[in-house]
Amino acid sequence: DIQMTQSPSSLSASVGDRVTITCRASQSISSYLNWYQQKPGKAPKYLIYAATSLRSGVPSRFSGRGSGTEFTLTISSLQPEDFATYYCQQSYRTPYTFGQGTKLDIK
Amino acid sequence: QGQLQESGPGLVKPSETLSLTCTVSGDSVTSGTYYWTWIRQAPGKGLEWIGYIYHIGSTNYNPSLKSRVTISSDTSRNQFSLNLTSVTAADTAIYYCARIVVVDEGVPGDTYYYFGMDVWGQGTTVIVSS
Repeated sequence: DIQMTQSPSSLSASVGDRVTITCRASQSISSYLNWYQQKPGKAPKYLIYAATSLRSGVPSRFSGRGSGTEFTLTISSLQPEDFATYYCQQSYRTPYTFGQGTKLDIK
Repeated sequence: QGQLQESGPGLVKPSETLSLTCTVSGDSVTSGTYYWTWIRQAPGKGLEWIGYIYHIGSTNYNPSLKSRVTISSDTSRNQFSLNLTSVTAADTAIYYCARIVVVDEGVPGDTYYYFGMDVWGQGTTVIVSS
């Protein structure tokens, strides 16, 4: 299986901050990388596909970069609704695998 | 935009079979446009992909669960289901059904297909306990 590792596991930040979350794959996955946002008690929400492409309706303050084995999710100016847990997921090969999550909370 | 809703018992005894159903509205489970999948999340943990069903009955399972998992569809009810046999406490989790959308990018002859879970059910909690 392809292992996905996120860093950091948790992050404290303030409204207006710029934050970056990193996701590393145990082998090259080209650009087959998705990002999801999950709020407590809710299902995940699909944010980014193909490593860099925003899903329809996702605010432009979210951006994704990377290919191969290293990827990042950046939120350019944190809004109150962005405090959540973020997961990366590879779709290069089944079994699909997720990172362990990065919990973003308010400082 | 499709909607998905999980249903099934919230409590299952160890060694028994966990059975859940996902009712799809706004789409057809027989559509060749989407894949239909199950994911679970153990308490306080991350997400684990269980498997998917595509079209009428093509399936793909996580090898870690493959010997115990069956995903099937009921086209008359527009539902797909998860059966997980011989459950233990380790199978206690929130179980989500979701739709996988495939986005193709590129040009003919050099096209890339990106799979992602774009519509999710609200999740259903299953506890394995005697």
